[in-house]
Amino acid sequence: DAKTTQPPSMDCAEGRAANLPCNHSTISGNEYVYWYRQIHSQGPQYIIHGLKNNETNEMASLIITEDRKSSTLILPHATLRDTAVYYCIVRAWGGSQGNLIFGKGTKLSVKP
Amino acid sequence: SAVISQKPSRDICQRGTSLTIQCQVDSQVTMMFWYRQQPGQSLTLIATANQGSEATYESGFVIDKFPISRPNLTFSTLTVSNMSPEDSSIYLCSARDSGNEQFFGPGTRLTVL
Repeated sequence: DAKTTQPPSMDCAEGRAANLPCNHSTISGNEYVYWYRQIHSQGPQYIIHGLKNNETNEMASLIITEDRKSSTLILPHATLRDTAVYYCIVRAWGGSQGNLIFGKGTKLSVKP
Repeated sequence: SAVISQKPSRDICQRGTSLTIQCQVDSQVTMMFWYRQQPGQSLTLIATANQGSEATYESGFVIDKFPISRPNLTFSTLTVSNMSPEDSSIYLCSARDSGNEQFFGPGTRLTVL
């Protein structure tokens, strides 16, 4: 079973920041937080991951709380092309414990 | 990042037949996986394709129904055997590289009539 809880859907206005929350209260010390997204009819796309520090790349920022029980993915300036299902996944580093197990995700709709 | 291609991209099949899906990665990868995504649902891991040995199947999936091959570090196949309409899904190949990052192919959309 997925170890994360996400809201089923969210709306965001184009050009505004999209903040997607994820709860992972049972995360273990060796587990990372990963985010993927799936645009309609495509395979999932890697976005970002982190262990305990906040991370930023060209796509997004990941904010992880100090107790690591929750995190937020931030798309700083959402566009219509960011409309997708976003998956938050906790995953150990490597081996079978590192398998990606998908939950239901959050369907983000970016509106003009 | 690794680029993954799958063939066919889609197919329509008759019940009782079998379909083999091919997955090709453009670089050597440590691990390869097969997922299923039923209509309107999230992704479910079917199995880990092991090079040179039998695949490791997740609970609810068996080798007789989903035989998998992985002859080398860049190629794998998934066969969906004795198909029924309940097998209609998108089947996705995934690969993990030496940096532990995991990527996905575009998927194969299967419809069973």
